[in-house]
Amino acid sequence: DTAVSQTPKYLVTQMGNDKSIKCEQNLGHDTMYWYKQDSKKFLKIMFSYNNKELIINETVPNRFSPKSPDKAHLNLHINSLELGDSAVYFCASSRSKGEQFFGPGTRLTVL
Amino acid sequence: QQQVKQSPQSLIVQKGGISIINCAYENTAFDYFPWYQQFPGKGPALLIAIRPDVSEKKEGRFTISFNKSAKQFSLHIMDSQPGDSATYFCAARGWDSNYQLIWGAGTKLIIKP
Repeated sequence: DTAVSQTPKYLVTQMGNDKSIKCEQNLGHDTMYWYKQDSKKFLKIMFSYNNKELIINETVPNRFSPKSPDKAHLNLHINSLELGDSAVYFCASSRSKGEQFFGPGTRLTVL
Repeated sequence: QQQVKQSPQSLIVQKGGISIINCAYENTAFDYFPWYQQFPGKGPALLIAIRPDVSEKKEGRFTISFNKSAKQFSLHIMDSQPGDSATYFCAARGWDSNYQLIWGAGTKLIIKP
């Protein structure tokens, strides 16, 4: 009965590779998010998305792109990975303007 | 103006003591102020939240105090326990942040037995 799930939990890859992180929620929420948490624990919103609108944090490089095949999924694609992309990435979901529920995180390490 | 400033960065409290974490904001359009708790290796989870029409909200050992005129809010943890050791984030949002949460930098709380 996991609410928000992410795969993989750990991802180790080389610079320049392209990778994806998957997120699924079974809460029936209409809005999903991607966050980046760096080594100092800063939480940075990257995207929020519902079936009507994608809001992109303007500081996010266009190498990052969210893809939503349906309301329950919001995957994160990252092209040409860089060392600075190493972080923990969290998916979250909510009803519009409601409490956000977070997934367990994906620790990405770029070598 | 969209920032939420959180302090302290880290805090050590003896078991049974009161833990206090403070946040300040500038944007008067903010109308929702949650606190999230994050344990190592886990995602943040909502702990308690307040709206600006009340000055205090209490849930068990956790209390939010809200000062609208000073644009400050704080989390008080009474009778702090080792199991409360975690990172705590304050956040805020309003219509002009597109209702996106604006996050504080986090406070690492350690409760010593």
